[in-house]
Amino acid sequence: GENVEQHPSTLSVQEGDSAVIKCTYSDSASNYFPWYKQELGKRPQLIIDIRSNVGEKKDQRIAVTLNKTAKHFSLHITETQPEDSAVYFCAAYFTGGGNKLTFGTGTQLKVEL
Amino acid sequence: NAGVTQTPKFRVLKTGQSMTLLCAQDMNHEYMYWYRQDPGMGLRLIHYSVGEGTTAKGEVPDGYNVSRLKKQNFLLGLESAAPSQTSVYFCASNEQGVARYGYTFGSGTRLTVV
Repeated sequence: GENVEQHPSTLSVQEGDSAVIKCTYSDSASNYFPWYKQELGKRPQLIIDIRSNVGEKKDQRIAVTLNKTAKHFSLHITETQPEDSAVYFCAAYFTGGGNKLTFGTGTQLKVEL
Repeated sequence: NAGVTQTPKFRVLKTGQSMTLLCAQDMNHEYMYWYRQDPGMGLRLIHYSVGEGTTAKGEVPDGYNVSRLKKQNFLLGLESAAPSQTSVYFCASNEQGVARYGYTFGSGTRLTVV
């Protein structure tokens, strides 16, 4: 079935360091991979996404890489700041119908001063 | 333009009671979804709709029913609430293809069943 695994579940970094969150997916036909950031008590917000015809995408301090052969994708945050502290979810769009996303289990990122 | 609005924001139910969660969107989106969020389990799809009058089961549909009588509204019903349904419920919508636009989420409904 459709499955997205996300690691680690918690991540603590010092301010200014980089953070990397990794996800793997089960369906080789998947073609769209968004990342969401959820602050405490708020709704998930799309921060970056990548499509299967691209290997890497950057937006200021965040980037996403995709390895279709290995079926995994990663979120990279550089020069982390306290406001980056949140839960991050990866997701994958499976082409089996329904136009829906399957989410990973989330990573709690804490940026320490 | 309010986006996706969920009602209510908070609710406490007793076991066995029923309730309906309302999701309304003003973006003329075709697709709507209900997810539940539990600690350590991410967002899991309950039911979804690909257009007015349609509904389909997601990953965790048991104990829930849905209706999409109007394009702008997607209702999630709990007929007999159980403590296992204590969760945060998010509604989301999408115009015509996740691969193009991703989801717009509502602000969530925090439900506690005692």
